[in-house]
Amino acid sequence: TQLLEQSPQFLSIQEGENLTVYCNSSSVFSSLQWYRQEPGEGPVLLVTVVTGGEVKKLKRLTFQFGDARKDSSLHITAAQTGDTGLYLCAGDRLESGTYKYIFGTGTRLKVLA
Amino acid sequence: GAVVSQHPSRVICKSGTSVKIECRSLDFQATTMFWYRQFPKQSLMLMATSNEGSKATYEQGVEKDKFLINHASLTLSTLTVTSAHPEDSSFYICSASALRGRNTEAFFGQGTRLTVV
Repeated sequence: TQLLEQSPQFLSIQEGENLTVYCNSSSVFSSLQWYRQEPGEGPVLLVTVVTGGEVKKLKRLTFQFGDARKDSSLHITAAQTGDTGLYLCAGDRLESGTYKYIFGTGTRLKVLA
Repeated sequence: GAVVSQHPSRVICKSGTSVKIECRSLDFQATTMFWYRQFPKQSLMLMATSNEGSKATYEQGVEKDKFLINHASLTLSTLTVTSAHPEDSSFYICSASALRGRNTEAFFGQGTRLTVV
C-alpha cells in the first residue's frame, strides 16, 4: 500500500504554462516535504510544510499543506525548462515504534521549450 | 543544509560478489538513517530504517540477509548487498536525519548506481 499518492504521474507542458502537482494520503502527517530529483542524483529538498493550511512560496513555486494535514500541493507558475525533473513529496510516519520516512509515488515533469 | 556523503557513486560488480555502500553524515550526528532503492523513472522505495546501535528495521519484502545494514556510529551507516545478482542492479540512496520524530527533514546522499553483471 502506497501511503502517499501523487498525481499526475507524468506531465509534459510548454514553457510558460502553469501546473499543479498533488500529494494525497489517507493518513495524517506531522509535516510533509517536497523534493526535486535529477536523474542519477539524490533528491534535493525544496520545502517543508508543517501547519495545516500552510502556504509557502519559493519564487515561482507555491506549496500548500491541507487543513487536515493529509494532502499537499505544489503549484508552478510560468514553468521553465529548468523545472524539468522528478517531484516527490515525502513525510515521516510512526509505525510500531519506528519512524519511517516515506516518499510519494512521484511526478515526472517535462517542460518543453 | 546538512551534508550526507554516499560512496561509491557507481559500482559494477560480478554476479555472486558482495558490495558495500557507505553513507556518512558529515556535519551532524544522525541517529536515524534510511536506505532506499529506486528503479528507473520510479519513486524511492524505503528498504530499511537504521538506528544507531540497534538492528535495522526492514520493510516487508526486503531480504534482511541479502541487504545487510550496519549503523555503527552516529555518522556512518553501511548497506552491503550480498551475493549480488543482476536483478539487484538499481539506484540506492541513503538519507540521514538528526531527529527521531516530528518534522523530520531527511538529507540525502548522492546515490549509488549498482550494476551487477
